Amino acid sequence: SQTIHQWPATLVQPVGSPLSLECTVEGTSNPNLYWYRQAAGRGLQLLFYSVGIGQISSEVPQNLSASRPQDRQFILSSKKLLLSDSGFYLCAWRDQAWNNEQFFGPGTRLTVL
Amino acid sequence: AQKITQTQPGMFVQEKEAVTLDCTYDTSDQSYGLFWYKQPSSGEMIFLIYQGSYDEQNATEGRYSLNFQKARKSANLVISASQLGDSAMYFCAMREKGQTGANNLFFGTGTRLTVIP
Repeated sequence: SQTIHQWPATLVQPVGSPLSLECTVEGTSNPNLYWYRQAAGRGLQLLFYSVGIGQISSEVPQNLSASRPQDRQFILSSKKLLLSDSGFYLCAWRDQAWNNEQFFGPGTRLTVL
Repeated sequence: AQKITQTQPGMFVQEKEAVTLDCTYDTSDQSYGLFWYKQPSSGEMIFLIYQGSYDEQNATEGRYSLNFQKARKSANLVISASQLGDSAMYFCAMREKGQTGANNLFFGTGTRLTVIP
């Protein structure tokens, strides 16, 4: 069966510090991978998606970046965090078939102080 | 324009009663899929139910059913026999087949359901 992992689960970082959130998927190959951000009490905002290794598409211009160094690894990064980067970050994967549901990881709660 | 609209920020339902969560969508594609997710306070997103645009029957999964009215572009979630554990945020989402290769989901803003004992 497939599983998706995210770490860390929670993170408190000062403004201006770097960020690295990791997401890994097990039990599948060549998945589509996604990073979402959810502000408190709000819906999900798609940040990045990837259809393959090294292929990253950005949905929202900002100080965040994403990388996919391996087939089942998706990393969200920032060189300098802003207060507005606080939120709940969710990684998701799905198979290539267009009508398959996305499966979400447990999320990382980021607080920027 | 919003692809997915959920007009109910919050809903209350008595335990064991049924509740309908509204969702309308906007698309010009003929092929699309509609999804409902549940997000409890722990934050995880749990897939509940899927309806394809060409499916003639309303989707059902246990106590969840999707009231699909294609002409009205609505995909309401019906939860029967509500349980206390159903208290959560519920998100409606859509994927259009005509999108880019990643076929991303568009999410609504969610409805917070509270089940009252």
